[in-house]
Amino acid sequence: AIQLTQSPSSLSASVGDRVTITCRASQGISSALAWYQQKPGKAPKLLIYDASSLESGVPSRFSGSGSGTDFTLTISSLQPEDFATYYCQQFNSYPGFTFGPGTKVDIK
Amino acid sequence: EVQLVESGGGLVQPGRSLRLSCAASGFTFDDYAMHWVRQAPGKGLEWVSGISWNSGSIGYADSVKGRFTISRDNAKNSLYLQMNSLRAEDTALYYCAKDLVYSGYVRGAFDIWGQGTMVTVSS
Repeated sequence: AIQLTQSPSSLSASVGDRVTITCRASQGISSALAWYQQKPGKAPKLLIYDASSLESGVPSRFSGSGSGTDFTLTISSLQPEDFATYYCQQFNSYPGFTFGPGTKVDIK
Repeated sequence: EVQLVESGGGLVQPGRSLRLSCAASGFTFDDYAMHWVRQAPGKGLEWVSGISWNSGSIGYADSVKGRFTISRDNAKNSLYLQMNSLRAEDTALYYCAKDLVYSGYVRGAFDIWGQGTMVTVSS
């Protein structure tokens, strides 16, 4: 199974900060990667798919990049509503989709 | 409004069975593959199973293979998960999720999620 690691596991940031989260796959997955945001008590929300495609309705301050094994989610200017946990997910290998362990973004 | 509503969760003893349902509305159900994803309390997300629009392609995570069965009824706009031989480690919030791609085949990104139904396996 393809393993995903995320770094950092948590971070503290201020409103207006640029935030970068990294996801690394144990083997190449082309661009078959998605990013989700989850707030406490809520279902995950799709932000990015195919590594860099912005889901409809998601603010443009969110962006994704990467291919192969190394991927990045960037929030260009952190807003109060962005404090949440972020997960990457690979969909290159079916059956056997996997998620990363998550990165919690909280207020500094 | 596009919506997924799960039901059927509850407290069940180890070794017993439970059937989850997911009612879809607001989109053409048989145009999309569907999935189940679970989240143990305080833990991360785990993909459980997926099914193509016509049930021709079905997949399971290794952790549930042979115990869980996914199915769908397009006439009823419904997705199901039959869970047998339940274990304590199956305790989780189970989400129904819609596949992103219109084709009906499994792509594997999930753009619409329900609110989940909680399954607790305990004696």
